[in-house]
Amino acid sequence: SAVISQKPSRDICQRGTSLTIQCQVDSQVTMMFWYRQQPGQSLTLIATANQGSEATYESGFVIDKFPISRPNLTFSTLTVSNMSPEDSSIYLCSVRLAGGELFFGEGSRLTVL
Amino acid sequence: KNQVEQSPQSLIILEGKNCTLQCNYTVSPFSNLRWYKQDTGRGPVSLTIMTFSENTKSNGRYTATLDADTKQSSLHITASQLSDSASYICVVSESDYKLSFGAGTTVTVRA
Repeated sequence: SAVISQKPSRDICQRGTSLTIQCQVDSQVTMMFWYRQQPGQSLTLIATANQGSEATYESGFVIDKFPISRPNLTFSTLTVSNMSPEDSSIYLCSVRLAGGELFFGEGSRLTVL
Repeated sequence: KNQVEQSPQSLIILEGKNCTLQCNYTVSPFSNLRWYKQDTGRGPVSLTIMTFSENTKSNGRYTATLDADTKQSSLHITASQLSDSASYICVVSESDYKLSFGAGTTVTVRA
């Protein structure tokens, strides 16, 4: 299994500011994923964070809005830039282990005023 | 249109009773189907994972079924407990790298 720690667990931010969410895994993993979960909706994949290369973004998500870092095999950050109330959501970090099992962090609940 | 549809959207049951959640999908090709439990304010936690050849899998009081022909799955909760109150999410995989998530069913268990 994998233990994933996310920080912050929740935050309230002002419109126009940026927030960086950290994700720490207790083991080395090749692929880390960032999801968004809006109220009452499915999880939506934002991007795949690749160690040593740029993140791969899904349709509708761009690097300028959601820059991602992946400095090593146990850590990643997601920044939500120039926030608006529409960015209010839960952001989840996820990893897939060698056996294919998918593990999620506790999530970071973001409220933008 | 979402490729994974879950029903009901929410349900309330009394402690000790059973309930069944449904998941219909159109994802193709199919690799596997997973059910996750997500407590309020927490991340999703895996309950079961089933491949094409499996039609039932249990994890304690949780039993998942899969009919790959009709593209339907169910999650049955037996003798519900207050701790079963959570959102249950159905996730269907085309491959290890392409997952489709349902919107979830919110279960509330009342004493």
